[in-house]
This record gives sequence, C-alpha cells and structure tokens, in this order.
Amino acid sequence: GAGVSQSPSNKVTEKGKDVELRCDPISGHTALYWYRQSLGQGLEFLIYFQGNSAPDKSGLPSDRFSAERTGGSVSTLTIQRTQQEDSAVYLCASSPRVGGGAGETQYFGPGTRLLVL
Amino acid sequence: AQKITQTQPGMFVQEKEAVTLDCTYDTSDQSYGLFWYKQPSSGEMIFLIYQGSYDEQNATEGRYSLNFQKARKSANLVISASQLGDSAMYFCAMRESGTGRRALTFGSGTRLQVQP
Repeated sequence: GAGVSQSPSNKVTEKGKDVELRCDPISGHTALYWYRQSLGQGLEFLIYFQGNSAPDKSGLPSDRFSAERTGGSVSTLTIQRTQQEDSAVYLCASSPRVGGGAGETQYFGPGTRLLVL
Repeated sequence: AQKITQTQPGMFVQEKEAVTLDCTYDTSDQSYGLFWYKQPSSGEMIFLIYQGSYDEQNATEGRYSLNFQKARKSANLVISASQLGDSAMYFCAMRESGTGRRALTFGSGTRLQVQP
C-alpha cells in the first residue's frame, strides 16, 4: 500500500515568510507525528496527533510553529515568520495505533527539505 | 543525560561480513520500545526492527537482529552478510510508555559504509 507522503519535497523561502508543509499518513493509521532533522540537533520531536485527542505540542520550538490535522488524516505544519535556523528536513510519520508494542511502530515519509535564505 | 547513546559515529565493514551497531539507552520506565531505522542518502527513514522491553527473545527480521541486553540497557543491531546497499545512517530510537508520551527519542546515528 501507499506509504506516508509529504509535500513539497523541497522548499526554499526567504526569511520572514510563512511556509506550510503537508503530510498524508498511511491510510488507517490513527497517530501522526512531526519531527525535524537538522545537522546540529539531530532528530527532534515536534508534535503528535492521536485521533480526536488534544495534540501533544511539547516539542514545538516556538509559537511560530503550529500544526493541524483535519479529519483525522492529512496534517499541515505551519512555520510563521521563518528564520534561518528553521532550515532542516521536516519528517512526518504515522503509526497504526497506540498502546505499546510493535503496532506503535512509526513509518516515516520522505521529508520536506526546507531552506530559509 | 542522553536517553539514547550511539557511540560509533562511523563504521566500516567488508561486504558479506556481519557488523554490530551499538546502542545504549537510559530510562526508568519498565515498559518501553526500542527501534532501529535506516536512513540512506536519499533521506527516507526506513523501519528495520522493533524490540519491546518485555520481549524475552531477541527480535529478528531477515538479516537484522537485535541483541537486547536489558540489564545493561543495550540494544545493539546486528546486520549479517552485509551488502553494498546497507551503506546508510542507522538510528536507534526509544519510546517510553511511562510518561504517556508517544514520541520517539533518537540517538545521533551511526554511518555504516560497506566496502566491496
């Protein structure tokens, strides 16, 4: 079946502009995660959605970052007033369920490479 | 303290030989999951293998096996019969259940290069 898809694959923007990154999880997966991968910081958790529960936003680095998940499926990560330090690869993942065990394995999309000039 | 420690920034292995990538973790939870992912130069994160903290047997998936030593808090990945296509970054990750947080915590990764 289709894996996690993300768009755009690459995004170049100017400092101060807003960007939107999109994630389509694997069909039927209830949980969706956003991570950021940068050279200096490695892989960092940003935000997690599970069904209709309130999202876990504990990893968002500032209030310039926000995300939503519509209809329990597609998610959009928005970065407002981008800064050069926001340059990174933004990875989305989904998992079939929560509750522990192998069923909580996260499957990743190809990522969006963001470059802020 | 680092939650996940991968002490080998880079490793070399000859094609067809076995290689072990080290991973130690730190948690006070009794219930947790350990994962290994492969990231080729193309950038996608590919799930390889999972080990639950209560699993009594080491996990295996084809040429991948996980050497789980719970008392030592280590979860080393063993790749048997290395292939050129195994050249990639490998990340160890942990999900802790006690806090209710579902995010993965990743190590810094090991870059494996398979030589012909």
